Amino acid sequence: AQSVAQPEDQVNVAEGNPLTVKCTYSVSGNPYLFWYVQYPNRGLQFLLKYITGDNLVKGSYGFEAEFNKSQTSFHLKKPSALVSDSALYFCAVRDSIYSSASKIIFGSGTRLSIRP
Amino acid sequence: NAGVTQTPKFQVLKTGQSMTLQCAQDMNHNSMYWYRQDPGMGLRLIYYSASEGTTDKGEVPNGYNVSRLNKREFSLRLESAAPSQTSVYFCASSEIQERRETQYFGPGTRLLVL
Repeated sequence: AQSVAQPEDQVNVAEGNPLTVKCTYSVSGNPYLFWYVQYPNRGLQFLLKYITGDNLVKGSYGFEAEFNKSQTSFHLKKPSALVSDSALYFCAVRDSIYSSASKIIFGSGTRLSIRP
Repeated sequence: NAGVTQTPKFQVLKTGQSMTLQCAQDMNHNSMYWYRQDPGMGLRLIYYSASEGTTDKGEVPNGYNVSRLNKREFSLRLESAAPSQTSVYFCASSEIQERRETQYFGPGTRLLVL
Protein backbone atom coordinates (compact mmCIF):
# COMPACT_ATOMS: atom_id res chain seq x y z
CA ALA A 1 0.00 0.00 0.00
CA GLN A 2 1.19 3.49 -0.69
CA SER A 3 2.14 5.91 2.04
CA VAL A 4 3.62 9.35 2.38
CA ALA A 5 5.55 10.92 5.23
CA GLN A 6 6.21 14.52 6.15
CA PRO A 7 8.92 14.36 8.81
CA GLU A 8 8.59 17.95 10.00
CA ASP A 9 5.53 19.22 11.84
CA GLN A 10 6.70 22.81 11.49
CA VAL A 11 9.19 24.71 9.36
CA ASN A 12 10.24 28.25 10.24
CA VAL A 13 11.91 30.47 7.65
CA ALA A 14 12.77 34.16 7.45
CA GLU A 15 11.16 36.11 4.64
CA GLY A 16 13.36 36.22 1.56
CA ASN A 17 15.18 33.01 2.43
CA PRO A 18 14.74 29.77 0.50
CA LEU A 19 12.37 27.21 1.97
CA THR A 20 12.07 23.45 1.77
CA VAL A 21 9.22 21.30 3.01
CA LYS A 22 10.13 17.62 3.02
CA CYS A 23 8.12 14.66 1.79
CA THR A 24 9.03 11.01 1.29
CA TYR A 25 6.83 8.36 -0.23
CA SER A 26 6.36 4.64 -0.60
CA VAL A 27 4.50 3.06 -3.52
CA SER A 28 4.66 -0.29 -5.23
CA GLY A 29 4.71 1.10 -8.76
CA ASN A 30 5.28 4.48 -10.32
CA PRO A 31 4.55 7.32 -7.92
CA TYR A 32 2.09 10.07 -8.69
CA LEU A 33 2.79 12.85 -6.23
CA PHE A 34 1.05 16.06 -5.26
CA TRP A 35 1.41 19.07 -3.02
CA TYR A 36 -1.56 20.95 -1.56
CA VAL A 37 -1.72 24.07 0.59
CA GLN A 38 -4.31 25.00 3.19
CA TYR A 39 -4.59 28.60 4.34
CA PRO A 40 -6.23 29.34 7.72
CA ASN A 41 -9.96 28.59 7.80
CA ARG A 42 -9.97 27.55 4.16
CA GLY A 43 -10.05 24.32 2.20
CA LEU A 44 -7.18 22.74 0.36
CA GLN A 45 -5.75 24.17 -2.82
CA PHE A 46 -3.75 22.28 -5.39
CA LEU A 47 -0.14 23.47 -5.80
CA LEU A 48 1.58 21.06 -8.14
CA LYS A 49 1.91 17.45 -9.19
CA TYR A 50 4.42 14.98 -10.58
CA ILE A 51 3.20 12.31 -12.98
CA THR A 52 6.08 11.77 -15.36
CA GLY A 53 8.76 13.73 -17.16
CA ASP A 54 11.07 16.34 -15.68
CA ASN A 55 12.06 15.76 -12.09
CA LEU A 56 11.63 19.44 -11.26
CA VAL A 57 7.96 20.39 -11.26
CA LYS A 58 6.84 24.00 -11.17
CA GLY A 59 3.55 24.94 -9.57
CA SER A 60 1.47 27.80 -8.30
CA TYR A 61 2.70 30.81 -6.27
CA GLY A 62 6.34 30.27 -7.26
CA PHE A 63 6.62 26.85 -5.65
CA GLU A 64 8.43 23.92 -7.19
CA ALA A 65 9.10 20.35 -6.16
CA GLU A 66 11.90 17.99 -6.97
CA PHE A 67 11.17 14.33 -7.58
CA ASN A 68 14.06 12.09 -6.51
CA LYS A 69 13.41 8.44 -7.28
CA SER A 70 16.52 7.07 -5.56
CA GLN A 71 15.68 8.86 -2.31
CA THR A 72 11.90 8.39 -2.75
CA SER A 73 11.42 12.06 -2.00
CA PHE A 74 9.33 14.90 -3.37
CA HIS A 75 10.42 17.99 -1.44
CA LEU A 76 8.60 21.28 -1.93
CA LYS A 77 10.81 24.32 -2.48
CA LYS A 78 10.68 28.03 -3.07
CA PRO A 79 13.72 30.24 -3.71
CA SER A 80 12.47 33.22 -1.71
CA ALA A 81 9.79 32.87 0.95
CA LEU A 82 6.99 35.36 1.50
CA VAL A 83 5.07 35.97 4.72
CA SER A 84 1.92 35.10 2.75
CA ASP A 85 3.31 31.59 2.20
CA SER A 86 2.58 30.79 5.85
CA ALA A 87 0.10 27.92 5.74
CA LEU A 88 -0.31 24.18 6.19
CA TYR A 89 1.20 22.09 3.40
CA PHE A 90 0.25 18.54 2.53
CA CYS A 91 2.10 16.05 0.38
CA ALA A 92 -0.01 13.31 -1.24
CA VAL A 93 0.48 10.18 -3.34
CA ARG A 94 -1.86 8.36 -5.66
CA ASP A 95 -1.29 4.72 -6.49
CA SER A 96 -2.41 4.88 -10.11
CA ILE A 97 -3.00 7.79 -12.42
CA TYR A 98 -4.72 5.63 -14.99
CA SER A 99 -7.52 4.36 -12.85
CA SER A 100 -10.28 6.44 -11.35
CA ALA A 101 -10.53 3.68 -8.75
CA SER A 102 -7.22 4.62 -7.20
CA LYS A 103 -7.16 6.66 -4.03
CA ILE A 104 -5.07 9.52 -2.77
CA ILE A 105 -3.25 9.27 0.55
CA PHE A 106 -2.17 12.46 2.30
CA GLY A 107 0.72 13.13 4.64
CA SER A 108 0.18 14.54 8.11
CA GLY A 109 0.97 18.09 7.02
CA THR A 110 3.75 20.58 7.71
CA ARG A 111 3.03 24.01 9.08
CA LEU A 112 5.16 26.60 7.33
CA SER A 113 5.75 29.84 9.22
CA ILE A 114 7.50 32.73 7.49
CA ARG A 115 8.69 35.51 9.78
CA PRO A 116 9.10 39.07 8.45
CA ASN B 1 -19.46 26.30 -11.88
CA ALA B 2 -19.83 26.13 -8.13
CA GLY B 3 -17.14 23.42 -7.88
CA VAL B 4 -17.48 21.26 -4.78
CA THR B 5 -20.10 22.33 -2.26
CA GLN B 6 -20.65 20.98 1.23
CA THR B 7 -23.49 21.40 3.70
CA PRO B 8 -23.68 22.22 6.50
CA LYS B 9 -20.66 24.40 7.19
CA PHE B 10 -20.88 23.84 10.91
CA GLN B 11 -22.78 21.39 13.11
CA VAL B 12 -22.99 20.56 16.80
CA LEU B 13 -24.26 17.12 17.78
CA LYS B 14 -24.81 15.31 21.03
CA THR B 15 -23.28 11.87 21.47
CA GLY B 16 -25.52 9.27 19.84
CA GLN B 17 -27.22 11.62 17.41
CA SER B 18 -27.09 10.95 13.71
CA MET B 19 -26.53 13.27 10.79
CA THR B 20 -25.63 13.31 7.11
CA LEU B 21 -23.00 15.54 5.56
CA GLN B 22 -23.87 16.47 2.00
CA CYS B 23 -21.42 16.97 -0.84
CA ALA B 24 -22.08 17.83 -4.46
CA GLN B 25 -19.92 18.67 -7.45
CA ASP B 26 -20.94 20.11 -10.78
CA MET B 27 -17.81 19.25 -12.74
CA ASN B 28 -18.95 15.83 -13.94
CA HIS B 29 -16.13 14.12 -12.04
CA ASN B 30 -16.17 10.38 -11.55
CA SER B 31 -14.18 10.16 -8.32
CA MET B 32 -15.30 11.64 -5.04
CA TYR B 33 -13.75 11.45 -1.56
CA TRP B 34 -14.46 12.15 2.08
CA TYR B 35 -11.59 13.13 4.39
CA ARG B 36 -11.37 14.18 7.99
CA GLN B 37 -8.75 16.59 9.23
CA ASP B 38 -7.57 16.53 12.82
CA PRO B 39 -4.74 18.50 14.45
CA GLY B 40 -1.46 16.64 14.10
CA MET B 41 -3.10 13.90 12.03
CA GLY B 42 -3.33 15.60 8.68
CA LEU B 43 -5.94 14.44 6.23
CA ARG B 44 -7.22 10.90 6.51
CA LEU B 45 -9.38 9.23 3.90
CA ILE B 46 -12.69 7.95 5.25
CA TYR B 47 -14.38 6.64 2.09
CA TYR B 48 -14.06 7.18 -1.59
CA SER B 49 -16.15 6.51 -4.65
CA ALA B 50 -14.49 5.82 -7.97
CA SER B 51 -17.73 6.16 -9.90
CA GLU B 52 -21.46 6.33 -9.50
CA GLY B 53 -22.70 3.26 -7.68
CA THR B 54 -19.36 2.25 -6.14
CA THR B 55 -17.86 3.06 -2.77
CA ASP B 56 -14.74 1.84 -0.99
CA LYS B 57 -13.32 2.17 2.48
CA GLY B 58 -10.38 4.42 3.13
CA GLU B 59 -8.09 4.59 6.14
CA VAL B 60 -10.66 5.39 8.87
CA PRO B 61 -14.12 4.16 7.79
CA ASN B 62 -15.40 2.95 11.17
CA GLY B 63 -18.42 4.87 12.40
CA TYR B 64 -19.30 6.20 8.97
CA ASN B 65 -21.39 5.21 5.99
CA VAL B 66 -21.52 6.78 2.55
CA SER B 67 -23.88 6.93 -0.38
CA ARG B 68 -23.01 7.85 -3.93
CA LEU B 69 -26.51 8.93 -4.83
CA ASN B 70 -25.62 9.88 -8.39
CA LYS B 71 -22.60 11.24 -10.19
CA ARG B 72 -22.97 14.64 -8.53
CA GLU B 73 -23.59 13.73 -4.92
CA PHE B 74 -21.63 11.81 -2.29
CA SER B 75 -22.99 11.92 1.25
CA LEU B 76 -21.34 10.89 4.52
CA ARG B 77 -23.50 9.63 7.38
CA LEU B 78 -22.76 9.33 11.06
CA GLU B 79 -25.31 6.92 12.51
CA SER B 80 -24.37 7.43 16.16
CA ALA B 81 -21.99 10.33 16.64
CA ALA B 82 -19.13 10.04 19.12
CA PRO B 83 -16.85 12.77 20.51
CA SER B 84 -13.96 11.14 18.62
CA GLN B 85 -15.70 12.19 15.42
CA THR B 86 -15.25 15.86 16.23
CA SER B 87 -13.28 17.03 13.23
CA VAL B 88 -13.31 19.04 10.05
CA TYR B 89 -14.64 17.04 7.14
CA PHE B 90 -13.62 17.71 3.55
CA CYS B 91 -15.24 16.38 0.43
CA ALA B 92 -13.27 16.28 -2.80
CA SER B 93 -13.73 15.24 -6.39
CA SER B 94 -11.30 14.48 -9.17
CA GLU B 95 -11.14 13.43 -12.77
CA ILE B 96 -8.30 11.62 -14.54
CA GLN B 97 -8.10 11.89 -18.27
CA GLU B 98 -5.06 10.99 -20.33
CA ARG B 99 -2.84 11.07 -17.25
CA ARG B 100 -3.95 14.57 -16.35
CA GLU B 101 -5.68 14.96 -13.05
CA THR B 102 -7.61 17.77 -11.52
CA GLN B 103 -8.73 17.60 -7.92
CA TYR B 104 -10.95 20.02 -6.09
CA PHE B 105 -11.86 20.28 -2.42
CA GLY B 106 -14.98 21.62 -0.80
CA PRO B 107 -14.80 24.31 1.90
CA GLY B 108 -15.20 21.82 4.75
CA THR B 109 -17.75 21.00 7.43
CA ARG B 110 -16.75 21.64 11.02
CA LEU B 111 -18.40 19.05 13.30
CA LEU B 112 -18.43 19.18 17.09
CA VAL B 113 -19.76 16.19 19.00
CA LEU B 114 -20.48 16.81 22.66
